[in-house]
Amino acid sequence: KQEVTQIPAALSVPEGENLVLNCSFTDSAIYNLQWFRQDPGKGLTSLLLIQSSQREQTSGRLNASLDKSSGRSTLYIAASQPGDSATYLCAVRARNNDMRFGAGTRLTVKP
Amino acid sequence: DGGITQSPKYLFRKEGQNVTLSCEQNLNHDAMYWYRQDPGQGLRLIYYSQIVNDFQKGDIAEGYSVSREKKESFPLTVTSAQKNPTAFYLCASSFGGQLSGANVLTFGAGSRLTVL
Repeated sequence: KQEVTQIPAALSVPEGENLVLNCSFTDSAIYNLQWFRQDPGKGLTSLLLIQSSQREQTSGRLNASLDKSSGRSTLYIAASQPGDSATYLCAVRARNNDMRFGAGTRLTVKP
Repeated sequence: DGGITQSPKYLFRKEGQNVTLSCEQNLNHDAMYWYRQDPGQGLRLIYYSQIVNDFQKGDIAEGYSVSREKKESFPLTVTSAQKNPTAFYLCASSFGGQLSGANVLTFGAGSRLTVL
């Protein structure tokens, strides 16, 4: 059974800092990996989706990388802003189409 | 604007009562999903439906029931058989079902259920 782990569970940084969020998964036979943002008490918003054949995806200040062989993905946020404060979740879709979510990293960017 | 509407946003239930959470989408998506979110845990799949009048159990279906009579609607009933129903419930949809791995999930804003 695929297990998805996100470390750290919480992270606090000053505004302007570049930061990296980590996602690891136990089964490397994945179909794709998706990063989501969740604001308190709200639903999830899709940020980036990386297919298994891709190494990275970029959207604005966000860059997600995927290393299937090591079972890892990172979400890089450049020049962080207070508005980036949220919980970031990764989700892995396996080749049998089962989708597993991590518990998330709660990010706080201080002004 | 297209999207997913969940209601109510907050719901309180007494033990032994059944409650129904509403999920409506106007995105013309074929597939709809219900997830449960608990603090410190990832989302867990309760039920999903790829087409009208068809739905499948997810990992934690016990104590829950669903229906899919219309493409736009996928209500979730939390029955008295669910022993620990207090949680945040999220509805999602996509163009493809579980078998369409490339499709991005779109989520509603969630419903928070508290058992008194």
